[in-house]
Amino acid sequence: GDSVTQMEGPVTLSEEAFLTINCTYTATGYPSLFWYVQYPGEGLQLLLKATKADDKGSNKGFEATYRKETTSFHLEKGSVQVSDSAVYFCALGGGTSYGKLTFGQGTILTVHP
Amino acid sequence: NAGVTQTPKFQVLKTGQSMTLQCAQDMNHNSMYWYRQDPGMGLRLIYYSASEGTTDKGEVPNGYNVSRLNKREFSLRLESAAPSQTSVYFCASSPDGAYGYTFGSGTRLTVV
Repeated sequence: GDSVTQMEGPVTLSEEAFLTINCTYTATGYPSLFWYVQYPGEGLQLLLKATKADDKGSNKGFEATYRKETTSFHLEKGSVQVSDSAVYFCALGGGTSYGKLTFGQGTILTVHP
Repeated sequence: NAGVTQTPKFQVLKTGQSMTLQCAQDMNHNSMYWYRQDPGMGLRLIYYSASEGTTDKGEVPNGYNVSRLNKREFSLRLESAAPSQTSVYFCASSPDGAYGYTFGSGTRLTVV
């Protein structure tokens, strides 16, 4: 079945540092890939997505590129802010689980001033 | 505001009690989902409804039942709550799962 593996956290950075959160997946077919963000006490919000190989999703300074050859969708941001502190989830849709999303376990990011 | 509305936001139950979590969306989405979120476990799918009139089990359905009342509403029922069901529950909807979900703000349930 489909699966998503995220780098283990938590991740702690200083403001303006570079961020990478790794995500790899296993799926058959041609899945879509997503990053969701969850701020404290809130539900998940879609951060960015990519629907086919080599697509780059981007939003709020975050980027991720759909790499089919390495089955990866790593999240990056060049300069993080305190307000980026949240839990980040990588997710996969389509593949063998059409209509359902499969989530990674989440990575907690804390950014200090 | 358009979106997914969950009620209640917080609930404390005693072991063996029953309750229903409500979810409604106003985006005319076909598909709706119930997930639970536990520390270190990510989100796990309990039940989903691909369209009005259909429901299917997800990864962790035991101890739960669902009803897709109409296109807007999808409820989750705990018939006899157990401490293992202490969790945060999220409802989500989607026009098509491949295009991502819109989530509600969650229900934090504690079973004592």
